Amino acid sequence: DTAVSQTPKYLVTQMGNDKSIKCEQNLGHDTMYWYKQDSKKFLKIMFSYNNKELIINETVPNRFSPKSPDKAHLNLHINSLELGDSAVYFCASSGPTKETQYFGPGTRLLVL
Amino acid sequence: DQQVKQNSPSLSVQEGRISILNCDYTNSMFDYFLWYKKYPAEGPTFLISISSIKDKNEDGRFTVFLNKSAKHLSLHIVPSQPGDSAVYFCAVANAGGTSYGKLTFGQGTILTVHP
Repeated sequence: DTAVSQTPKYLVTQMGNDKSIKCEQNLGHDTMYWYKQDSKKFLKIMFSYNNKELIINETVPNRFSPKSPDKAHLNLHINSLELGDSAVYFCASSGPTKETQYFGPGTRLLVL
Repeated sequence: DQQVKQNSPSLSVQEGRISILNCDYTNSMFDYFLWYKKYPAEGPTFLISISSIKDKNEDGRFTVFLNKSAKHLSLHIVPSQPGDSAVYFCAVANAGGTSYGKLTFGQGTILTVHP
């Protein structure tokens, strides 16, 4: 029973393609996040949704579009993939204490 | 512009000894501080936290210390165990503001505990 799950785990694709990463949480949390871990290992927040409403939108290219069909899901769609998009993308969720976040296992994206 | 720095990329400790991981931050608006632990090919997992009204929080073998004047926090693990070997990230937040859970992470310290 994985609390926060992501699919796919690995994604290898060509530059210019469009791809999606899915995230689901079964913790009953209201808030979900997307983080990017780059090659220097920094984890940086990209987006946050609370009850399907966009709350945090960091300086992220508009090729990245999050979608939250319901509270338990937050998907990330990336258009026109670039080499610099290669990274590990983590989904997370949180309950009332927003800072205590539960992370998924990550999606390793490699753009060739 | 790194607001959170973990200046030691790695730390090696003998089993049973104390591990001390350090973290510095720049913005005095941060008022909530956390440590996350990460194993390879897994997501980070929450370990321990402290708010700015305290200077110490303890949970079993893990203790976090906060020095607000120095903008410094540390994580002590006593005694260290081989299973503690992982990457440790400190994270900070402005929980009293309107951060909505926005965490700013350091770049991590790789802890290796030798049997």
